Amino acid sequence: AQSVAQPEDQVNVAEGNPLTVKCTYSVSGNPYLFWYVQYPNRGLQFLLKYITGDNLVKGSYGFEAEFNKSQTSFHLKKPSALVSDSALYFCAVRENPNAGNNRKLIWGLGTSLAVNP
Amino acid sequence: SQTIHQWPATLVQPVGSPLSLECTVEGTSNPNLYWYRQAAGRGLQLLFYSVGIGQISSEVPQNLSASRPQDRQFILSSKKLLLSDSGFYLCACTGQGNTGELFFGEGSRLTVL
Repeated sequence: AQSVAQPEDQVNVAEGNPLTVKCTYSVSGNPYLFWYVQYPNRGLQFLLKYITGDNLVKGSYGFEAEFNKSQTSFHLKKPSALVSDSALYFCAVRENPNAGNNRKLIWGLGTSLAVNP
Repeated sequence: SQTIHQWPATLVQPVGSPLSLECTVEGTSNPNLYWYRQAAGRGLQLLFYSVGIGQISSEVPQNLSASRPQDRQFILSSKKLLLSDSGFYLCACTGQGNTGELFFGEGSRLTVL
């Protein structure tokens, strides 16, 4: 069955330190992978995606993510965290459209990131 | 780029009352549209999605219904609200192309008392 796991409910990091938010997935075929951020009482904002090509994807607000096919992971990273990065982060995966039903994303449960000043 | 409008932003309703949440999309045509519910500020539950006017797929049996009367309008309704319908409701749409990322509205927070 298709699934997405975000193994950490919460990640705490000091401002200026690098941050990593983990995501692993299980889908058949080649996945499309996404990261979103949600600030309190707001909708989700798209950060970045991996479709094909370079395994390191750069996105909004200085975030990047690395696709690792052998480990079925797509961890979100940022070299230097800001207090304003504190938010809820969601990983999502879509099965390759050529594989069939492709209208839905499979979502992780979210990871709450707290960046401490 | 697409913009998603949701209203009302906040709603407090008594148990047994009706509900109508509306979502409209600008900047794209023939999008797929989605209603999600987020409980306790965490995971997303897909409630309904639509690939075209009048075409609604329900993901979970529940007290809610959805309609798509126009290409860029998606409505979430209930005839009689339950306490368990409380939550944060998010409308989303696909963008141009077929890479699958979704774009979200700002959400509607429903409290049923």
